[in-house]
Amino acid sequence: KAGVTQTPRYLIKTRGQQVTLSCSPISGHRSVSWYQQTPGQGLQFLFEYFSETQRNKGNFPGRFSGRQFSNSRSEMNVSTLELGDSALYLCASSLGFITGFYNEQFFGPGTRLTVL
Amino acid sequence: GQNIDQPTEMTATEGAIVQINCTYQTSGFNGLFWYQQHAGEAPTFLSYNVLDGLEEKGRFSSFLSRSKGYSYLLLKELQMKDSASYLCARGGYGGSQGNLIFGKGTKLSVKP
Repeated sequence: KAGVTQTPRYLIKTRGQQVTLSCSPISGHRSVSWYQQTPGQGLQFLFEYFSETQRNKGNFPGRFSGRQFSNSRSEMNVSTLELGDSALYLCASSLGFITGFYNEQFFGPGTRLTVL
Repeated sequence: GQNIDQPTEMTATEGAIVQINCTYQTSGFNGLFWYQQHAGEAPTFLSYNVLDGLEEKGRFSSFLSRSKGYSYLLLKELQMKDSASYLCARGGYGGSQGNLIFGKGTKLSVKP
């Protein structure tokens, strides 16, 4: 079974530009979550999607947005890029909401975004 | 707050045992996870605790005390390949575990 894939793997942008990152979950997984990882702040939750609906959103400005398609693939968009947006953006997929059971998330390799 | 605290760095010797501690905010608790992340790679799931006690999985064990907001990851018979960052995370709010709140990670260095 193929793992979580993310494209592109590396990206260089300049301040003010926008960027779209893509995530394809493991086949059969309906939940996709996005995280930002930086050396200073560690892994921080961005959004969670399940069946095309945003279930939860982290404490990030409105420049960060996302969506999920009917095939569970997800994209996140960052507009008006700032230097501080340079980070590793990780996508994780899981089966979805299973009350009472742990819901293991499988992480993709990430997209390394550098903002100049 | 949602603080999760764990030591920044630890060093241990090959073959030894190491315990990585984690404390977390107890309100709205929804499970405690441990992930391993090698440099330049994605995090991989190690363990999950939702009830008090010890969960053992081979060389790795994880312990939880919900009343104390405390967990630890125990690594036995350390190997060089165990050098990695270990991330403590609690399940988020709203009953979902898809919005994990992570600590900043403990970088473990295993020396020969």
